Amino acid sequence: DAKTTQPTSMDCAEGRAANLPCNHSTISGNEYVYWYRQIHSQGPQYIIHGLKNNETNEMASLIITEDRKSSTLILPHATLRDTAVYYCIVRVSPNTDKLIFGTGTRLQVFP
Amino acid sequence: GAVVSQHPSWVICKSGTSVKIECRSLDFQATTMFWYRQFPKQSLMLMATSNEGSKATYEQGVEKDKFLINHASLTLSTLTVTSAHPEDSSFYICSAVHSGDTQYFGPGTRLTVL
Repeated sequence: DAKTTQPTSMDCAEGRAANLPCNHSTISGNEYVYWYRQIHSQGPQYIIHGLKNNETNEMASLIITEDRKSSTLILPHATLRDTAVYYCIVRVSPNTDKLIFGTGTRLQVFP
Repeated sequence: GAVVSQHPSWVICKSGTSVKIECRSLDFQATTMFWYRQFPKQSLMLMATSNEGSKATYEQGVEKDKFLINHASLTLSTLTVTSAHPEDSSFYICSAVHSGDTQYFGPGTRLTVL
């Protein structure tokens, strides 16, 4: 699986959009970008994943650059409950193999 | 959909005793489940891969005789920490693979060994 690079931490005001970047310059053509988040003392929560087209669901939007070397997870209206560590993971799909978690981005949403 | 539960959510035990943690996929069947461990302020570390009907595959450095894994059905995997010691105190999290692709995680079990 390709390596990813994320900022260690970010802040966001409540109600504003949170844009979390992820670099994956070595991504292969058959690798997807997955996003998970982990709220303190809880198990990770699946958010979204995509291959090359932008994706949107009830939780977030995923914007993948045309060259697929980076992506951005967008939480359109961040709330205090979105405070968590966000993980960007690149892997082939379908895939029943393990997930490898990096250090992620600690997003702090403030009032 | 795609809900994974764990039981118990927390457990405190004495050193030397064994503790069993259950992981269930509530609304889907999962031939593959994973067990992770997370220490404070650290990321998740995979312990083992659990495949229904076969022996678990353990990551390097994880003692298979200490962390017993049983995946007897398509909706249940169990992790038993045998002869637990204080250094085994951690947050244990399972995940289940849905539709051969996306992993969904349980809420975690916090184990404290006195």
